[in-house]
Amino acid sequence: GAVVSQHPSWVICKSGTSVKIECRSLDFQATTMFWYRQFPKQSLMLMATSNEGSKATYEQGVEKDKFLINHASLTLSTLTVTSAHPEDSSFYICSARQVDEQFFGPGTRLTVL
Amino acid sequence: QKEVEQNSGPLSVPEGAIASLNCTYSDRVSQSFFWYRQYSGKSPELIMSIYSNGDKEDGRFTAQLNKASQYVSLLIRDSQPSDSATYLCAVNPSPFSGGYNKLIFGAGTRLAVHP
Repeated sequence: GAVVSQHPSWVICKSGTSVKIECRSLDFQATTMFWYRQFPKQSLMLMATSNEGSKATYEQGVEKDKFLINHASLTLSTLTVTSAHPEDSSFYICSARQVDEQFFGPGTRLTVL
Repeated sequence: QKEVEQNSGPLSVPEGAIASLNCTYSDRVSQSFFWYRQYSGKSPELIMSIYSNGDKEDGRFTAQLNKASQYVSLLIRDSQPSDSATYLCAVNPSPFSGGYNKLIFGAGTRLAVHP
């Protein structure tokens, strides 16, 4: 149990385009999901907390207009990177909360050319 | 500032030995503690959670918690080369179980198990 999927697993896009990443909890309902970003050889950085049916809570320094989060159902949260630029290239990982534990999706590697 | 501290390593141990990974946290009211394993290029995988003082064993893994010392550790017995990864300590700073609180992650300790 406690399986989280992400789609796509990798994406390459041109600078200025928008990219949507989906995070799904496959065998449980998650009222809370989290979005992280990780640069090579660096720690996980929490970007935002996604709550079903309400607005996401962004961490300090994360632009909410650039990283749009929608948590429309108990099993799906989406992260849209708008007007992506090369500095947005990173490994984006979601997690879903089940009771007191967080389970991570496999991650999405974004490369912006 | 709520912090979770880990030695970055690398911690190098021979195959078959016990690997001991340590973590300290600053928020005294924390009640939930987790160890994740992250292989290079992959996402973190939950391997242990612990909520009460003492030891919790699961196969070759033992988590130890000492809330008075604000210290949590992970022991890996009979270490294998496949255990080579970065181990992340995570703390839920909430004094209550459940809730929406995010996890505070340490920077991770890189473990290398050599044959």
